Amino acid sequence: RKEVEQDPGPFNVPEGATVAFNCTYSNSASQSFFWYRQDCRKEPKLLMSVYSSGNEDGRFTAQLNRVSQYISLLIRDSKLSDSATYLCVVNHSNTGKLIFGQGTTLQVKP
Amino acid sequence: DVKVTQSSRYLVKRTGEKVFLECVQDMDHENMFWYRQDPGLGLRLIYFSYDVKMKEKGDIPEGYSVSREKKERFSLILESASTNQTSMYLCASSFLQGRYQPQHFGDGTRLSIL
Repeated sequence: RKEVEQDPGPFNVPEGATVAFNCTYSNSASQSFFWYRQDCRKEPKLLMSVYSSGNEDGRFTAQLNRVSQYISLLIRDSKLSDSATYLCVVNHSNTGKLIFGQGTTLQVKP
Repeated sequence: DVKVTQSSRYLVKRTGEKVFLECVQDMDHENMFWYRQDPGLGLRLIYFSYDVKMKEKGDIPEGYSVSREKKERFSLILESASTNQTSMYLCASSFLQGRYQPQHFGDGTRLSIL
């Protein structure tokens, strides 16, 4: 079983739609959680950290469920520019080492 | 803003050559990482370092070595390049301690071995 698992998609949605991605992780000792965004042929960029109480940044909302060991990302009012691959990332050691999921691809259509 | 700079965006080398990929960060981060990314395989950790002259193997260290002589610089070395090392190479850095320490990536180097 992979340490971080994501549905690769692709998720094809119309502009304005709300879309949600889930990610599961296997290590119950994991401490820090992130969502990264990666555009085609570019480097991953931090989208947002995920806090235990859940957090929101504009149209993006991240949730963490430690009991079920999953993380979610909700995107409201999708824009064409949201089209990208979204990587779920988990840190479970004090070395700063991160475990990356393989990513979920989102394609927002006009 | 954090700046992680990789020496080349595109690089073409020949089989058997010794290849150096350089990475510099300007945020005084303790941790530095080298990944490769291939279609369908995601990001795979090659080596990382949490201090000068320290290095730790990642998931796929075979065929690679690294050097960290200064805190801001982390070099990846392909001792004898092979065609299966054609890939996108990504360098990243982060602070060592504390929770919620994300990694920041350079632009990546697309390496082709002919």
